[in-house]
Amino acid sequence: KAGVTQTPRYLIKTRGQQVTLSCSPISGHRSVSWYQQTPGQGLQFLFEYFSETQRNKGNFPGRFSGRQFSNSRSEMNVSTLELGDSALYLCASSSGTGDYGYTFGSGTRLTVV
Amino acid sequence: QQQVKQSPQSLIVQKGGISIINCAYENTAFDYFPWYQQFPGKGPALLIAIRPDVSEKKEGRFTISFNKSAKQFSLHIMDSQPGDSATYFCAASTWNTDKLIFGTGTRLQVFP
Repeated sequence: KAGVTQTPRYLIKTRGQQVTLSCSPISGHRSVSWYQQTPGQGLQFLFEYFSETQRNKGNFPGRFSGRQFSNSRSEMNVSTLELGDSALYLCASSSGTGDYGYTFGSGTRLTVV
Repeated sequence: QQQVKQSPQSLIVQKGGISIINCAYENTAFDYFPWYQQFPGKGPALLIAIRPDVSEKKEGRFTISFNKSAKQFSLHIMDSQPGDSATYFCAASTWNTDKLIFGTGTRLQVFP
């Protein structure tokens, strides 16, 4: 079956702009989680959506937001970009019913200049 | 209390040798402990995972050892191969969240 698809793979944005990243989960998976990966902070949990509702949230400022659609696809938005937002943003999908079957996408590499 | 501490930061092993990576946690509510492998330009891929009701799990050349009383778990890679060169992350989660707490990662290099 198809894996987790993240688009775009690479993005370059200017400070102050906003950006939207997309994630299509594995077919049948209802939970989508987002993670930020940086050399300094490692892999950090942003938030998780299940059946269009945010179920968990990490310790990130309100500039980071997300949503999930009825087909389980998810988008993540970052407003007023800062240089420190440069990172690999990873999406993981799972059934969301406690079987822990997380599958990660290849990520979107965001560079803020 | 939510942290997962991972060591070493980097590891160099000869082909055929054993690679050992260690992790420690504080939160006793964690009940799922996976290990992920990540190659450059790719997302993390699940290698092997364990629940706290067992002390060891083996899948091929990969073994997780789990010590509940010490709140530690480790990954052993037997007969390490150059293709195993990657970054390895331990992680932990609780049953009622789809939230993984990751260790800081170990960069493994296996030389022929």
